[in-house]
Amino acid sequence: ETGVTQTPRHLVMGMTNKKSLKCEQHLGHNAMYWYKQSAKKPLELMFVYSLEERVENNSVPSRFSPECPNSSHLFLHLHTLQPEDSALYLCASSQDWGPSYNQPQHFGDGTRLSIL
Amino acid sequence: DAKTTQPNSMESNEEEPVHLPCNHSTISGTDYIHWYRQLPSQGPEYVIHGLTSNVNNRMASLAIAEDRKSSTLILHRATLRDAAVYYCILRDGTQGGSEKLVFGKGTKLTVNP
Repeated sequence: ETGVTQTPRHLVMGMTNKKSLKCEQHLGHNAMYWYKQSAKKPLELMFVYSLEERVENNSVPSRFSPECPNSSHLFLHLHTLQPEDSALYLCASSQDWGPSYNQPQHFGDGTRLSIL
Repeated sequence: DAKTTQPNSMESNEEEPVHLPCNHSTISGTDYIHWYRQLPSQGPEYVIHGLTSNVNNRMASLAIAEDRKSSTLILHRATLRDAAVYYCILRDGTQGGSEKLVFGKGTKLTVNP
């Protein structure tokens, strides 16, 4: 069992739909992350939140909109997605973000997203 | 980010030791070596990390070459549950260094019964 829970585990949506991915961590961590894992590509960091403030946005298209209402919850709001956005979306958390403490990141099991 | 090179795949037999190599010839003096693994249908899982000295934990051992240009993750007795993709990652250990994990393609480990 991981301390990071992602829902839903699978999501199929049309290109004009709006949906949200949810991530919850029960580890008391201050930093949370969204990653994208496409077939045949390495994991790519999308967003980082530290103490509920966005600190990294790795050139992610605006059709992905993150939200961090508190340190335990992270959302990824999706709208007008493209077929190439089909991927596994992973959430992670770590104790802190900033000067490198070499803290492990704890990952959820991801949401498998398919865009029709 | 300093790069790492790993074999695409390796095979092992159950209950035998496994040595997973990683080359990082451009490593800087402040880069830590981290290992994660990703089991099928799961998110990545932290395994171990080190700077210069060899490290051991309940999951694995990390052997770091004296010149730090390579390292080896050692699973002492492979089980079927160890079948996964193993990622070797360098992280900047300086003040203000990045917390980013930059994943490569990793090594896919197959464990035969």
